Amino acid sequence: GQNIDQPTEMTATEGAIVQINCTYQTSGFNGLFWYQQHAGEAPTFLSYNVLDGLEEKGRFSSFLSRSKGYSYLLLKELQMKDSASYLCAVRKAAGNKLTFGGGTRVLVKP
Amino acid sequence: NAGVMQNPRHLVRRRGQEARLRCSPMKGHSHVYWYRQLPEEGLKFMVYLQKENIIDESGMPKERFSAEFPKEGPSILRIQQVVRGDSAAYFCASSPSLGAGANVLTFGAGSRLTVL
Repeated sequence: GQNIDQPTEMTATEGAIVQINCTYQTSGFNGLFWYQQHAGEAPTFLSYNVLDGLEEKGRFSSFLSRSKGYSYLLLKELQMKDSASYLCAVRKAAGNKLTFGGGTRVLVKP
Repeated sequence: NAGVMQNPRHLVRRRGQEARLRCSPMKGHSHVYWYRQLPEEGLKFMVYLQKENIIDESGMPKERFSAEFPKEGPSILRIQQVVRGDSAAYFCASSPSLGAGANVLTFGAGSRLTVL
């Protein structure tokens, strides 16, 4: 089976940086994904890591350590529109489906 | 490209009725996934289908739930004899055929089922 853990909620100030951690245990691994979901809307793809290291995409970066079963999503220069849930998901070596963590609700305050 | 289309967006049913949720994948995508999301919770995998084939239904409840993806037409998630606990948002996602790379799942806007 798979166990994916991430904090339930985080609060940060506009313009600041927030780091959302995700730990996972899986019997096989073929990639870690981060999605953003605004309330009442569809999840949208943010980033994908399959090798160790940092992937940077504008204000968002994602890091992966496969040996530690650990990833983080880094959001820089926070904007009010970044208030959303951030979902960590793991894809197993066999198959294509994603297994999601419970999501981290980020609230950006002025 | 219209993206993943789900309908209805909102559905209200009384206990014991049937709910049918439809999903048309993105153009060029041949894999469909259904997820359920309860309020304030993450996405729970239900079923993964290709055309005329169920690949993985490990997340489907054993009774009352079924899914299909026929050769022609959208994928259908069917819930028979609905109960209040079935009230949730049901999201469909699609992806291209298996291949190298991210093979990202693209989600639809969801169908919100309310059981009275």
